[in-house]
Amino acid sequence: GESVGLHLPTLSVQEGDNSIINCAYSNSASDYFIWYKQESGKGPQFIIDIRSNMDKRQGQRVTVLLNKTVKHLSLQIAATQPGDSAVYFCAETPSNSGYALNFGKGTSLLVTP
Amino acid sequence: KAGVTQTPRYLIKTRGQQVTLSCSPISGHRSVSWYQQTPGQGLQFLFEYFSETQRNKGNFPGRFSGRQFSNSRSEMNVSTLELGDSALYLCASSLRQMNTEAFFGQGTRLTVV
Repeated sequence: GESVGLHLPTLSVQEGDNSIINCAYSNSASDYFIWYKQESGKGPQFIIDIRSNMDKRQGQRVTVLLNKTVKHLSLQIAATQPGDSAVYFCAETPSNSGYALNFGKGTSLLVTP
Repeated sequence: KAGVTQTPRYLIKTRGQQVTLSCSPISGHRSVSWYQQTPGQGLQFLFEYFSETQRNKGNFPGRFSGRQFSNSRSEMNVSTLELGDSALYLCASSLRQMNTEAFFGQGTRLTVV
């Protein structure tokens, strides 16, 4: 079936390094791809989104890249900080099923000093 | 500006019982969505309400239902609880429908024994 999935369940990086979190998707008809961050004990928090007709979008310390050829999405975090430690989810908005966020399983990012 | 408020935070119920969870969206937000989060299945979309109407529904049995009131507050109900219904139930509100930036509450942790 159509799904959004993640390549790695856990990623450990040193403080100050750049982080790259990857996500594969299978639904080519999705309108938007979104990254959410979930800290322990909290609900997911929106980070950044990218429309399906774009390849790259930058935010504050984050960049999202979309490669439609291989159906791959990535989130790059520059100068990773301890506060970035969380579970990161990619999500898509399927254009053929009304409004819903279809989430991937999540990648746990651990930032070590 | 107050965030999304979900009550109660924790709930323990017995198999066969029913439960009602409440969500107060951010003031002015008219779209409310519900998600179920479990370690095995991740975040799964339950349903979305906009202007008191259910606009979209996920792949869950009819035991899961919801409603939205004129003040945009929403409730979800699960009847005839099963052990597998144990999960974190998250509510998210958005200013409009089809908005990729959803604001999540902290969730209600439901345990079915």
